[in-house]
Amino acid sequence: DAGITQSPRHKVTETGTPVTLRCHQTENHRYMYWYRQDPGHGLRLIHYSYGVKDTDKGEVSDGYSVSRSKTEDFLLTLESATSSQTSVYFCAIRVGQGNYGYTFGSGTRLTVV
Amino acid sequence: GDSVTQMEGPVTLSEEAFLTINCTYTATGYPSLFWYVQYPGEGLQLLLKATKADDKGSNKGFEATYRKETTSFHLEKGSVQVSDSAVYFCALSHIASGNTPLVFGKGTRLSVIA
Repeated sequence: DAGITQSPRHKVTETGTPVTLRCHQTENHRYMYWYRQDPGHGLRLIHYSYGVKDTDKGEVSDGYSVSRSKTEDFLLTLESATSSQTSVYFCAIRVGQGNYGYTFGSGTRLTVV
Repeated sequence: GDSVTQMEGPVTLSEEAFLTINCTYTATGYPSLFWYVQYPGEGLQLLLKATKADDKGSNKGFEATYRKETTSFHLEKGSVQVSDSAVYFCALSHIASGNTPLVFGKGTRLSVIA
């Protein structure tokens, strides 16, 4: 999607290892979000950020941490990956005024074995 | 807290059939309502939105009307095409707050067969 890139696109990791997913935007938007998508659950909010070093927890934040040291990057870290964190992770940015625009990245498919 | 409930899928339709995907919500105040679409292997794209009661959002032949009295935002299309096959998500958010993450329903998978 225009202005937002997630990396890696796919990753397989072992249980207990740390994993960091990156979301990069090129358009200097203030608000950024991490969601996970699982069958039967839709998209659930993990963490979000409303500015550099300003973050807050979402609905399913346990086992995850985030950092935003600069506007363009929002990192999601799984400190010690578990099989229950196998999922597709989406980053989103809020563009424009009000709630008119959320642009989503293409997703990262993470498999924890 | 806020929540969105949408009909369970999958929904399978023949080409040119009429589509309805039901969505109801629970929220304080007056949220904005959205439909997002996810094509296979892709992220979510905004399909349409409505920001106040009785507003009708429309795009690509899809329509949804914000019904405050029934807390609903059902998605409709008069004649579906194979290219409409995707997962559809209903979502809400609040304009009044400064940072209002989207709250999603669980999604409805639509398959349209020729």
